[in-house]
Amino acid sequence: GNSVTQMEGPVTLSEEAFLTINCTYTATGYPSLFWYVQYPGEGLQLLLKATKADDKGSNKGFEATYRKETTSFHLEKGSVQVSDSAVYFCALSDPRRNTDKLIFGTGTRLQVFP
Amino acid sequence: DAGVIQSPRHEVTEMGQEVTLRCKPISGHNSLFWYRQTMMRGLELLIYFNNNVPIDDSGMPEDRFSAKMPNASFSTLKIQPSEPRDSAVYFCASSAGQGGQPQHFGDGTRLSIL
Repeated sequence: GNSVTQMEGPVTLSEEAFLTINCTYTATGYPSLFWYVQYPGEGLQLLLKATKADDKGSNKGFEATYRKETTSFHLEKGSVQVSDSAVYFCALSDPRRNTDKLIFGTGTRLQVFP
Repeated sequence: DAGVIQSPRHEVTEMGQEVTLRCKPISGHNSLFWYRQTMMRGLELLIYFNNNVPIDDSGMPEDRFSAKMPNASFSTLKIQPSEPRDSAVYFCASSAGQGGQPQHFGDGTRLSIL
């Protein structure tokens, strides 16, 4: 079945450091891939998405590239800010099934210190 | 545009009482999802609807939980009778329902059962 694996957290960084949060997936066919962010006390917000191989999703300085050959969708940001502290979820959906049901990873907590 | 609207934002009640959580999806969205989030179990999909019809309720914990979607603009999640282990944050999300589309989350209802 489809599944998503994320790196364990928390990830602790100093402000302006480079961020990578690893995400790999197992899926039949060609899923759509998503990163969501959850700030304290809020719901999940869509951060970026990619729908086919080699697509790069980007938003707010974050980027992730859909790598079919390595079944990965790693999240990166060149210079993190304290305000980026949140929990990040990788997710996939299988458009062949004509459903928007998502398979989520377990989430990775990012803590950025000044 | 209004996002997904959930009510109440917070609910505190005594065990044995009936609890009703409400959700208004984004206008025009055809799919609606109910999730539960706890520290121990993370984010769990409880049930989802497509065009007001329940498609997958395999995540509903037990018969004490029920969900309805009487029309395209309203859904409820009911717990009767409630138990302390039901304490969690409950999220509603909606999507266009076309396959591979992102979900948009509400801010959640924080439920505490005493």
